Amino acid sequence: TQLLEQSPQFLSIQEGENLTVYCNSSSVFSSLQWYRQEPGEGPVLLVTVVTGGEVKKLKRLTFQFGDARKDSSLHITAAQPGDTGLYLCAGAYRNDYKLSFGAGTTVTVRA
Amino acid sequence: SQTIHQWPATLVQPVGSPLSLECTVEGTSNPNLYWYRQAAGRGLQLLFYSVGIGQISSEVPQNLSASRPQDRQFILSSKKLLLSDSGFYLCAWSPDRARNTIYFGEGSWLTVV
Repeated sequence: TQLLEQSPQFLSIQEGENLTVYCNSSSVFSSLQWYRQEPGEGPVLLVTVVTGGEVKKLKRLTFQFGDARKDSSLHITAAQPGDTGLYLCAGAYRNDYKLSFGAGTTVTVRA
Repeated sequence: SQTIHQWPATLVQPVGSPLSLECTVEGTSNPNLYWYRQAAGRGLQLLFYSVGIGQISSEVPQNLSASRPQDRQFILSSKKLLLSDSGFYLCAWSPDRARNTIYFGEGSWLTVV
C-alpha cells in the first residue's frame, strides 16, 4: 500500500507550458523530499521541505509543503525538454530511518 | 564531498545462480545505508536498511539478504536467484544526523533469465 499518492501518473506537455505535480497522504510527515530520476539512473534529490506551509524555489521549480504536512506540490514554470523525467516524492516520519515513496509522475516535455 | 558508488551497473544471471551487488560510500562516516528495488519507471520499495556495522533490518521477506561488513560498505546478496528478482536495484545513504534525506547511487540493472 502506497502511503503517498502522486498525481497525475503521466504528464505530457509542450515546451514553455507550466505543470504541477501533486503528492498527497493521510499521514503527517516530519519532512518531505522531491527527487527527479532519468531512465537507468538513480534519483537525484531536488529539495527537502520540513515546515508546514513552506515554499522553496529552485530556478523554475517551486515546491510547497502543505500546512498540515500531509501533502506537497511541485510546480514547473516554462517547462523545458531537460525537465523530462520521473518525479518522486518521499515522506519521512519523525525518528524513523526510512522514507516512504510515492509511485512517481512521469513528465515528458516535448520540444 | 560525499559520493556513493554501486556495481556492477548491469548484470544478467541465470535462475538459481548467486548474486552480489556492492555499494560503497566515501567522504562520510557512520552513514545509514539502504537497498531499494524499483519496478520499471515506478516507485521505490525499501528492501534493507542499516544503521551500523553488522546491523541489518529487512523490510520485505524475500530471496535476498544484505550485509554491512564495513562502516561504508553495503552488500546485497542472494544464494539462488528467481526470475522475480529481476529489477533495478538502488543503494542509498543518509547522514546519521539528518536521516530524512537520502542520496542514491547510480543503480544496478539485474536481469534473471
